[in-house]
Amino acid sequence: EPEVTQTPSHQVTQMGQEVILRCVPISNHLYFYWYRQILGQKVEFLVSFYNNEISEKSEIFDDQFSVERPDGSNFTLKIRSTKLEDSAMYFCASSDWGYGNQPQHFGDGTRLSIL
Amino acid sequence: TQLLEQSPQFLSIQEGENLTVYCNSSSVFSSLQWYRQEPGEGPVLLVTVVTGGEVKKLKRLTFQFGDARKDSSLHITAAQPGDTGLYLCAGSQETSYDKVIFGPGTSLSVIP
Repeated sequence: EPEVTQTPSHQVTQMGQEVILRCVPISNHLYFYWYRQILGQKVEFLVSFYNNEISEKSEIFDDQFSVERPDGSNFTLKIRSTKLEDSAMYFCASSDWGYGNQPQHFGDGTRLSIL
Repeated sequence: TQLLEQSPQFLSIQEGENLTVYCNSSSVFSSLQWYRQEPGEGPVLLVTVVTGGEVKKLKRLTFQFGDARKDSSLHITAAQPGDTGLYLCAGSQETSYDKVIFGPGTSLSVIP
């Protein structure tokens, strides 16, 4: 069964450094998402992306964050200058259609640790 | 505020027992989804409910969407140890279709 893959599984970065988290969504999917989950807390929506544009973003997704689909397969989340509070699990998801009620397929996440 | 609350937060039951977990909001949602998350993995979708009053069954799991589309429940019959996990409800609203809000989850432990 096709799946969403995320790399790396664990990223350790010094505070203030830039980090790029990578995702390969399911190949025929058109909608892409990033979520984060701080340890012990709920899954939080960051951003949705369709047709090479951000379609929705949360208040968490400030100017330090950006997303890109650099080619036909990858979907990336960049954090420009990481802060300690950016430490979390970051999940990528994709769906073949939008509107929130379409099944979203999640990757297994990247654990980001900021030192 | 598009808050989703879940109860109970933790639930520990014996194998074979029945249980119900709840997802509530003061806001109307165009759809609600239930996910299950295992440690170290991403959420896996169980079901989506769209219509107020809708009931969906998935083997021993029964999902219901409230008539007003503000709440949902998940009922598990004859729980098995394999049902252990974190159950998350999530929803989106008509004003922000692509923004999915998650509840904090119910952590279920089924003891053999």
